[in-house]
Amino acid sequence: NAGVTQTPKFQVLKTGQSMTLQCAQDMNHEYMSWYRQDPGMGLRLIHYSVGAGITDQGEVPNGYNVSRSTTEDFPLRLLSAAPSQTSVYFCASSYGKPPPSYEQYFGPGTRLTVT
Amino acid sequence: TQLLEQSPQFLSIQEGENLTVYCNSSSVFSSLQWYRQEPGEGPVLLVTVVTGGEVKKLKRLTFQFGDARKDSSLHITAAQPGDTGLYLCAGADNQGGKLIFGQGTELSVKP
Repeated sequence: NAGVTQTPKFQVLKTGQSMTLQCAQDMNHEYMSWYRQDPGMGLRLIHYSVGAGITDQGEVPNGYNVSRSTTEDFPLRLLSAAPSQTSVYFCASSYGKPPPSYEQYFGPGTRLTVT
Repeated sequence: TQLLEQSPQFLSIQEGENLTVYCNSSSVFSSLQWYRQEPGEGPVLLVTVVTGGEVKKLKRLTFQFGDARKDSSLHITAAQPGDTGLYLCAGADNQGGKLIFGQGTELSVKP
């Protein structure tokens, strides 16, 4: 199993550009989520999905779109990048939604810089 | 809004010392998890505590969930350089579907 894969690993965008961060998992997990990590702020939930065709907003959804057409894939779209979106983005998946104590498996992250 | 406050934010100690990291909230959580993250990688789950007062041990790491399920602690005995990393606590929100993370504790263990 590859686990959770994310592409690209690094990306530099200019303000106003759009892009899609890719996330895929091969563990047949129903629950997938996107987080951003900024220094001193831990991980903040952007969007999550409890299954194909179902998505919901997390703590910081503004400026980001998601869709879940298959169990395996959960792409994150930035429609018009802003410098405030400079961050490290992590995709995670788990067998079910928390609670109860389902382990979240994280991808290796995408480091995004918006200039 | 449920929040988790971790302390300290930074910790630099010598090999062999003991340390404790705290994760506190004014809200009750149904479960709390502790993750460890190394530079350039995603967090990896260390443990989940579910019952108030629960204590779990993972080699030199001891995790405790408060009786009221509002706080948790991570104690490391005889720290080693391999323990260096970012430690994150995370709680499942009461409405379900979301994991709330603390700010993290950056631990550096010097040989």
